[in-house]
Parts: sequence; C-alpha cells; structure tokens
Amino acid sequence: DIQMTQSPSTLYASVGDRVTITCRASLSISKWVAWYQQKPGSAPKLLVYEASILESGVPARFSGSGSGTEFTLTISSLQPDDYATYYCQQYNRDSQTFGQGTKVEIK
Amino acid sequence: ELQLVQSGTEVKKPGESLKLSCQASGYKFTNYWIGWVRQMPGKGLEWMGILYPEDSDTRYSPSFQGQVTFSADKSISTAYLQWTSLKSSDTAMYFCARPRWGRFDAFDLWGQGTMVSVSS
Repeated sequence: DIQMTQSPSTLYASVGDRVTITCRASLSISKWVAWYQQKPGSAPKLLVYEASILESGVPARFSGSGSGTEFTLTISSLQPDDYATYYCQQYNRDSQTFGQGTKVEIK
Repeated sequence: ELQLVQSGTEVKKPGESLKLSCQASGYKFTNYWIGWVRQMPGKGLEWMGILYPEDSDTRYSPSFQGQVTFSADKSISTAYLQWTSLKSSDTAMYFCARPRWGRFDAFDLWGQGTMVSVSS
C-alpha cells in the first residue's frame, strides 16, 4: 500500500491564523490527492480533489497544492467553523489510503 | 435529491453475522462505484474497498480482503457490506461513499454512517 504520512497530528490555532497541513506519500502519486474535513458525529466532507481543485461550494480560504509525494492543505484565515479534523487521501491506485488526520483545535 | 442513506445502528455479539445497507438516490446507481470506509472509535479513516454495481467488480484493501464482502442489488439501488462472523475489533462507524466519477477518484457523496458495536 502507498502510505500517507500526515502532519501535524494536532494543530492549535486562533481565528484568523493561516494554517497548513502536510501529507507525504511513500511513492509518487502525481496529483491524485483529496482533502476532507470531518466534524464529530458527521461524515467527511470533500474539500479539494486532484491536489488543488476546490470542490464546489467550499470557501475560497481553503486551497490545496503539491504533486508527486508532497501535498499541502492551507486555510488562509481560520474561521470558527473550521475547527475540525482534516484527512488527506491518495487515490492513485488500488488500494487507496488516508492520512492519519490532523485535528485543528482552538489555541 | 442526491444522497446515500445507510441502515441504522447495530449491536451484535461476536460470531454473529451482519449486513449493512447503503441506498442511493438522485443519480444512476449503476454508473458509479461505491466505496466503504471504516472509522474505529476515536481513530482515522480507513479505505476498505470499492464495488461497481453494474457488474459487481470489487476491489478490497488487503487489510479487509477475506474479512468482509461487498455486494449490490441494482433493482433497489442499494449496496451492502457484510460479515459472516463478527469480532469485537469490528466495532466502528462504517461509511459508504461515492467517487466523483471513476474508481480512482475522490469521494464527493457520503452516507451518514452506520455504527456497529460488537460485544459479548
């Protein structure tokens, strides 16, 4: 399996902060990465696909970048609704894998 | 409305069998793959595998191969995840999810999840 190493596991930030989450793939996966947001008791929500394409309806403060083995999700100005857990996912091939998750908490 | 609706919470004993359902609506069920994702209590997301309802082509994660079975009933637009003999380690939330288009794609539509609790 391709491993997705996500960091940090927990991130403390204040409203208005710029937040960056990183995923590193164990093999090159081109642009085949998605990012999800999950809140307690809810299903994950797709934010970004193909590494950098924002899903329809997702606020423009979210952005994704990267290719090959290094990928980032950036929140340009953290809002109260953004406190959640974020996951990357590679879908380059069978079998697909998720990162371990990054919990964004109030500083 | 575009949605995946999953069956309700299950409480089972080790060794029992179980079949979870995921009913699709608002799109042509047989045109899209359906994936399954496990989330153990307090843990992250795990990709279990994916099934194409049109012909039941199925791909399992090595971690779940032989442990679970995916199936689908095209006539009622419903996908299934089943176990023949549950273990306590199967306690988790299970999500079904639809990729944007092909087998290799992000999941843009998710079910609400089914909680499975296995305990003696």
